[in-house]
Amino acid sequence: GAVVSQHPSRVICKSGTSVKIECRSLDFQATTMFWYRQFPKQSLMLMATSNEGSKATYEQGVEKDKFLINHASLTLSTLTVTSAHPEDSSFYICSARAGGARGEKLFFGSGTQLSVL
Amino acid sequence: RKEVEQDPGPFNVPEGATVAFNCTYSNSASQSFFWYRQDCRKEPKLLMSVYSSGNEDGRFTAQLNRASQYISLLIRDSKLSDSATYLCVVNMPGSARQLTFGSGTQLTVLP
Repeated sequence: GAVVSQHPSRVICKSGTSVKIECRSLDFQATTMFWYRQFPKQSLMLMATSNEGSKATYEQGVEKDKFLINHASLTLSTLTVTSAHPEDSSFYICSARAGGARGEKLFFGSGTQLSVL
Repeated sequence: RKEVEQDPGPFNVPEGATVAFNCTYSNSASQSFFWYRQDCRKEPKLLMSVYSSGNEDGRFTAQLNRASQYISLLIRDSKLSDSATYLCVVNMPGSARQLTFGSGTQLTVLP
């Protein structure tokens, strides 16, 4: 079964609104989670690394004031797209690294398709 | 040069065919290599890790060539269900980014 839960799976919103995406690790604690964006026919691009209890680390070119990341607990990270515009329409995916019995594998959420009208 | 570069594809092959994908990486210090499979608008799923000695999992064989800095994935006896995008993934050492993804190679297996 899924070990990383991501919600919502699909969002359609008007330009200018903010959208929050949640990513939860279901049966393990994740001190670090990752947020990716994927445009059609392109690969995953890392946007930021979310660290529990501290500020996220953003990749070059990603606006931290536009993509707010909160990692308040060991099992939950949220990404908020503020004042979304049509160019923000994309597939957003989170992931978390699980250690222990699962080894150092990366598990992904099921993704969120964001469409900004 | 891209950090991880893959065959552009797409590959359209008949059922039962053997198909191979290649991937090159730029950082010679890279330590971990993986092949992920991604279906349309779904999350990537780990297909297999790639070990230095090469490894096989059923119809899938992965190989690593450190000298030439490339990895490969061979699929034998292709099934319709193998149709997907295959992502080459490399761990970049010393980076908090953890994993870097190739752009993916699209495979369509035709009946």
